[in-house]
Amino acid sequence: SYEFTQPPSVSVSPGQTASITCSGDKLRDKYACWYQQKPGQSPVLVMYQDTKRPSGIPERFSGSSSGSTATLTISGTQAMDEAGYYCQAWDSSTVVFGGGTKLTVL
Amino acid sequence: EVQLVESGGGLVQPGGSLRLSCAGSGFTFSSYAMSWVRQAPGKGLEWVSGISGSGFTTYYADSVKGRFTISRDNSKNTLYLQMNSLRADDTAVYYCAGGDYGDLSWYFDLWGRGTLITVSS
Repeated sequence: SYEFTQPPSVSVSPGQTASITCSGDKLRDKYACWYQQKPGQSPVLVMYQDTKRPSGIPERFSGSSSGSTATLTISGTQAMDEAGYYCQAWDSSTVVFGGGTKLTVL
Repeated sequence: EVQLVESGGGLVQPGGSLRLSCAGSGFTFSSYAMSWVRQAPGKGLEWVSGISGSGFTTYYADSVKGRFTISRDNSKNTLYLQMNSLRADDTAVYYCAGGDYGDLSWYFDLWGRGTLITVSS
């Protein structure tokens, strides 16, 4: 089945900026969104329509998209941001997720 | 409080059937397009099926097409997933998720806590 490409893991030091990419041709003309999932918990929407942040999501989370790549950026990363992150998009008939990225804050 | 609560999970033999339910509360259920998303143990998220707010339009992943049926009863604020011909690779936590969809995007801002389906003899 089709899946967007994400790096399996990203490491960042506390206070630094983490960037997680999501690539796929279907992202050229569709909006991407992003979910954060901590172990044993349900996913939480942290970004939608490429750049929109849901209420309650800290301002350090931002999103962008260019061509076939969407990017989630976390500025001033905190220990609490350590989690799995998944991109997702919709191609008018199928919802597609990325394979997920494990963000480690060390 | 906005809530989605799944039920109906459990252990089932290969080839068997199961029906999941997801009860919504604290929001206008019929205004939300709903989906089922699953996660196999230690794996990533996989979309299974989705349905429009009215229930008139349904969508399925290729992996479940012809075996699973999604439906909803807006009078009961409940989403369903009828799963037939279950296979071992259907083993996963199944999440109910709700959100907004249109031509260019479908995102899920409401999630349940999930229910575990184990397909094994």
